[in-house]
Amino acid sequence: ETGVTQSPTHLIKTRGQQVTLRCSSQSGHNTVSWYQQALGQGPQFIFQYYREEENGRGNFPPRFSGLQFPNYSSELNVNALELDDSALYLCASSPDRGSGYTFGSGTRLTVV
Amino acid sequence: AQRVTQPEKLLSVFKGAPVELKCNYSYSGSPELFWYVQYSRQRLQLLLRHISRESIKGFTADLNKGETSFHLKKPFAQEEDSAMYYCALCILLNNNAGNMLTFGGGTRLMVKP
Repeated sequence: ETGVTQSPTHLIKTRGQQVTLRCSSQSGHNTVSWYQQALGQGPQFIFQYYREEENGRGNFPPRFSGLQFPNYSSELNVNALELDDSALYLCASSPDRGSGYTFGSGTRLTVV
Repeated sequence: AQRVTQPEKLLSVFKGAPVELKCNYSYSGSPELFWYVQYSRQRLQLLLRHISRESIKGFTADLNKGETSFHLKKPFAQEEDSAMYYCALCILLNNNAGNMLTFGGGTRLMVKP
């Protein structure tokens, strides 16, 4: 069991730029979810992918998008970065859509 | 809409004292609730889920549908229990395509020696 790994661990971007965050899920985990955790708050659901298709989205604008690949890796892309996008971004994977999730350590994004 | 509330941002107790971390939820469907814990410099990890009805590290939580609560309890706190605790509600996504977690704001538990 290799767990869920995320890269990079920290990132600083300028307002208006685009960013791609990466996640490598455990082998066999077909479901991946992304969460945003602002400072002092609980994680908020961004979206979920199952077998490379988005199957649910939280209250986030379209400039937040994602991809999931056959090798259990996935990406979160954010366009036109805003200062309020500064947060910890968590990836969580699961072997199926009804099981518990394993979380990665997160990527801390700072937008200046 | 679903919501999870953890009224205490910080809970400080002495070692050996009982602990109760409060969690209240609002959800029109059948709730599935979890407690997650995050120790210092570690990732978020599942502590327990109400369906399992198990005790992990001495912690238990009972779902009370009448009071819409899922409080986390431990009779005797240990220093190693100091961490951030999040209550989470799992709900189905549209068309039962998957599920998502709605988290509370978290409670920081500090156990003093």
